[in-house]
Amino acid sequence: GQNIDQPTEMTATEGAIVQINCTYQTSGFNGLFWYQQHAGEAPTFLSYNVLDGLEEKGRFSSFLSRSKGYSYLLLKELQMKDSASYLCAVLDSNYQLIWGAGTKLIIKP
Amino acid sequence: ETGVTQTPRHLVMGMTNKKSLKCEQHLGHNAMYWYKQSAKKPLELMFVYNFKEQTENNSVPSRFSPECPNSSHLFLHLHTLQPEDSALYLCASSQAIGEPKGYTFGSGTRLTVV
Repeated sequence: GQNIDQPTEMTATEGAIVQINCTYQTSGFNGLFWYQQHAGEAPTFLSYNVLDGLEEKGRFSSFLSRSKGYSYLLLKELQMKDSASYLCAVLDSNYQLIWGAGTKLIIKP
Repeated sequence: ETGVTQTPRHLVMGMTNKKSLKCEQHLGHNAMYWYKQSAKKPLELMFVYNFKEQTENNSVPSRFSPECPNSSHLFLHLHTLQPEDSALYLCASSQAIGEPKGYTFGSGTRLTVV
């Protein structure tokens, strides 16, 4: 079967750095997405990786290793507004998105 | 506002009621999706429409019935639901199926079945 694993919850301190990991086993691979979802709000697109390596976008970076079935989302200079759930999703060979259950990130002052 | 609007935001319905969820996008996207989001579970894809044609129906019970009258509007008709159907129902759209630019989601309808 297809599976996406990510930690259920993480806690970090304001101003620090946090890395949220995602591992996947899917039938085929056509890219990996990260979304941010604040409580009661719509998930919003953060990043898309289809090639190995690091993609940087401001305070957020996303890394992909296709051979290891692994990705991480790196958040730097954490702010209170970064408290949210972070969803990892993989596009499989049928171009269907397979979703992880999300990682709830709690930022403490 | 994300560009995808869902109404109502909250809905409480009895198991014998009939109600409809509405989704609207004016982003010019060709694909629209219904997802179910339950606490601590992955998003569950329910239905996919591509150019108004239904392309996916992931073994969803018949008490959920989708309708896509045009490329901007998507409905989810509900009848004789069960308490376990209580969840957040999200609508999303994308330029194309599997679009690398990602999907645009609405804020969802929080459904409670009593």
